[in-house]
Parts: sequence; structure tokens; C-alpha cells
Amino acid sequence: GNSVTQMEGPVTLSEEAFLTINCTYTATGYPSLFWYVQYPGEGLQLLLKATKADDKGSNKGFEATYRKETTSFHLEKGSVQVSDSAVYFCALSDLNQFYFGTGTSLTVIP
Amino acid sequence: KAGVTQTPRYLIKTRGQQVTLSCSPISGHRSVSWYQQTPGQGLQFLFEYFSETQRNKGNFPGRFSGRQFSNSRSEMNVSTLELGDSALYLCASSEPGGNTIYFGEGSWLTVV
Repeated sequence: GNSVTQMEGPVTLSEEAFLTINCTYTATGYPSLFWYVQYPGEGLQLLLKATKADDKGSNKGFEATYRKETTSFHLEKGSVQVSDSAVYFCALSDLNQFYFGTGTSLTVIP
Repeated sequence: KAGVTQTPRYLIKTRGQQVTLSCSPISGHRSVSWYQQTPGQGLQFLFEYFSETQRNKGNFPGRFSGRQFSNSRSEMNVSTLELGDSALYLCASSEPGGNTIYFGEGSWLTVV
């Protein structure tokens, strides 16, 4: 079946540190992969996506590359800011159904 | 273009009551899905509607139901509320043939 496993949190980083949040997936077909972000008290917002192998999604300094050989879609940012503090969800979409990871809470301290 | 709109944003209900939550999708989107988010269980899929038909369903008891209207607006209903139903209920929509879902800000339900 389809599933997403992402890095357990919480993650605490200092401002300007490098961020990696690991995400691996299991899929029976050819899924699209996503990162969503949830700020406190809000719904989920699409951060970036990739629809096929070797695609790189990017937005607001965040990047993730669809790696079919390692079934991974790790989220990275070179220099985090306090405003990046949020919960990050990795997800896959296959045949009109979405599967979400458990979320990784990120806190960035000044 | 307006985003996904959910009403009400916050509500408090008593055990045993029922509740109806509403979702208006992005204009032109015909698929609406619902999720329950709790600290312990994370995001759990409830159901998905497309063109007024339920297309997918998660593993929730029959107390949880939904429907979609001809204008793509959707409602979900929870009957005989339990304390454990306290959660953030999120609605998401997608366009025909699209593979991306867009979320509303959610409805916070507290059952006391």
C-alpha cells in the first residue's frame, strides 16, 4: 500500500542554520510528492511539489528532490528564519488519494 | 481567486449533540475532501466527494457523514458527539484532473 514516513520531531534550530527534514515513501504506482506547511492556528498550505522522478520542487528557499531510487523526498533549506517555525507535512498523491506523514514540528530560535 | 472557505471556524458542542461543518471549495474545483487532525492521531482522511458522489472513504464510524451539493460546496456531519471528536476538521479541494489539494483554515470543534 501507500504510506509516508517522515522524521520525528520536534526540531529546534538557530536562525540561519541548515534544515533537513527527512521523508521516505512507499507507493504502488507513480505518485506525486508534496510538502505542506502548517503555521499555528491555520490550515495546511502547499509549500512545494514534484510530480515525477528527479523533479525538484522549490518555494521560499525550500527545496526537495523526488528520488525514486531511494524513495525519498527530503525537505531542505539553507538558512532558516524565525518565521519558518511551523509543522511540516510530507505527502504523496496516488489515484486521487492523499497520504500524509505525521508532521515534523520546527522551531527556529533567534 | 478565493481560497477554500470553512465555517464555522470555532465551535463548542456537548456530548451527544450533532454538528454540521461547511466547506466552500475554490471556484472551479469539483473535488472536496475532509480530514480530521488531532495531536495524537495526526491527519486522518475522512472522505472525498466529486460531483456529488463519495469517491473515497476513510476508516471512521458511521457517525461521520458528508455530502456535496451541485455547486461543489460540501458539508460534513458528526452525530452523537463524543469527547474524542474534539479536533481540527480540515477541508481541501482540487480541480478536475489536478493532483494537488488546497486546504481551508479548518473548523475547530471542541466537545465538552
